[in-house]
Amino acid sequence: DQQVKQNSPSLSVQEGRISILNCDYTNSMFDYFLWYKKYPAEGPTFLISISSIKDKNEDGRFTVFLNKSAKHLSLHIVPSQPGDSAVYFCAASAQAGNNRKLIWGLGTSLAVNP
Amino acid sequence: DGGITQSPKYLFRKEGQNVTLSCEQNLNHDAMYWYRQDPGQGLRLIYYSQIVNDFQKGDIAEGYSVSREKKESFPLTVTSAQKNPTAFYLCASSRDRGHNQPQHFGDGTRLSIL
Repeated sequence: DQQVKQNSPSLSVQEGRISILNCDYTNSMFDYFLWYKKYPAEGPTFLISISSIKDKNEDGRFTVFLNKSAKHLSLHIVPSQPGDSAVYFCAASAQAGNNRKLIWGLGTSLAVNP
Repeated sequence: DGGITQSPKYLFRKEGQNVTLSCEQNLNHDAMYWYRQDPGQGLRLIYYSQIVNDFQKGDIAEGYSVSREKKESFPLTVTSAQKNPTAFYLCASSRDRGHNQPQHFGDGTRLSIL
């Protein structure tokens, strides 16, 4: 059962416009959320995170929004650039005993067209 | 520069053969992780280690083994018991596993069966 869902496998956006990547989760115990970006044949690179006590976190062109009541978060990229073309993974973290467990979504492939 | 180094980038294995994937980090991180990524799937946790000489099974540990004799190194052995070893393997590290913080990834090793 997928606890972290990225329902759009792919997204295509025009350069300069906004990219919105969505992520839904089912476990209300998740209290920390992360977005990673991955190019082919490379490891994921951390982009931005948000704690469940916040509803928005911004870092340059990247903003993550969290709606806890809807169990939904989104990543906004403004303005989108061709170099943003990659697979974006959403991940959610919850405390499990003495450890934190990180659950990953399946990813959304973003294509930014010049 | 600090980072995580995985080697080799590509690895080929014959049926019935064990192979070891290398992962080294110079970030002074306590926690290290091994993930497996298959096409169309998210990252699945194989093993993790919170500290030297300690490691725990993740969600798909069967057919794999690890060691953590040094803080900097966390090699993964894919044994002949792993029936479907062809995948992209990613190593990651974080400062520790008990708090909210991002994991940093290497560039992966792609393992194929000859």
